[in-house]
Amino acid sequence: DIRMTQSPSSLSASVGDRVTITCRASQSISGYLNWYQQKPGKAPKLLIYGASSLQSGVPSRFSGRGSGTDFTLTISSLQPEDFATYYCQQSYNAPITFGQGTRLEIK
Amino acid sequence: EVQLVESGGGLVQPGGSLRLSCAASGFPFRNYWMHWVRQAPGKGLVWVSRINNDGDITTYADSVKGRFTISRDNAKNTLYLQMSSLRAEDTAVYYCVRLSCGNSTDCYMRYKWFDPWGQGTLVTVSS
Repeated sequence: DIRMTQSPSSLSASVGDRVTITCRASQSISGYLNWYQQKPGKAPKLLIYGASSLQSGVPSRFSGRGSGTDFTLTISSLQPEDFATYYCQQSYNAPITFGQGTRLEIK
Repeated sequence: EVQLVESGGGLVQPGGSLRLSCAASGFPFRNYWMHWVRQAPGKGLVWVSRINNDGDITTYADSVKGRFTISRDNAKNTLYLQMSSLRAEDTAVYYCVRLSCGNSTDCYMRYKWFDPWGQGTLVTVSS
């Protein structure tokens, strides 16, 4: 199975900050990388697919980059509603696997 | 509106059984691969099982293989997860998800992702 490792596991930031979350795959996954946002008590929501494509309806302050084994999710200017947990996911090989999550908290 | 609605969760004793259902609406259910993903309390997301659009190809995580059975009824637009020999470590919120790859329903060699997700149903295994 492909192991996905996110860093950091948690992050404190302020409204207006630029933040970047990193995801590393244990082997090359080309661009088969997705990002999800999850708020407490809610189902995850797709943000980015194919490493860099923004899902319809997702604000443009979210962006994704990377290919191969190293990927990033960047939020250009944090808004209050962005404080949540973020997960990366690879869909290159079965079984589909997720990173352990990055909890983004208000500083 | 594309929607997935899970039901069937609850409290069950260790060794017991439970069947989860997921009602799909707003899209041609029979054209899509479907998956189950679970999340233990305070933990991350873990893939559990998948089924192809016709229902004749199924795959399971090692942790549930031999105990869980995924199935679907395309006439009823419903996905199922039959869970047996339940253990405390199966306690989780179970999400039904659709495998999507844009405008095509053939996701072979395409970028693919989970969207939408159901709201989840909580399964608690405890005596």
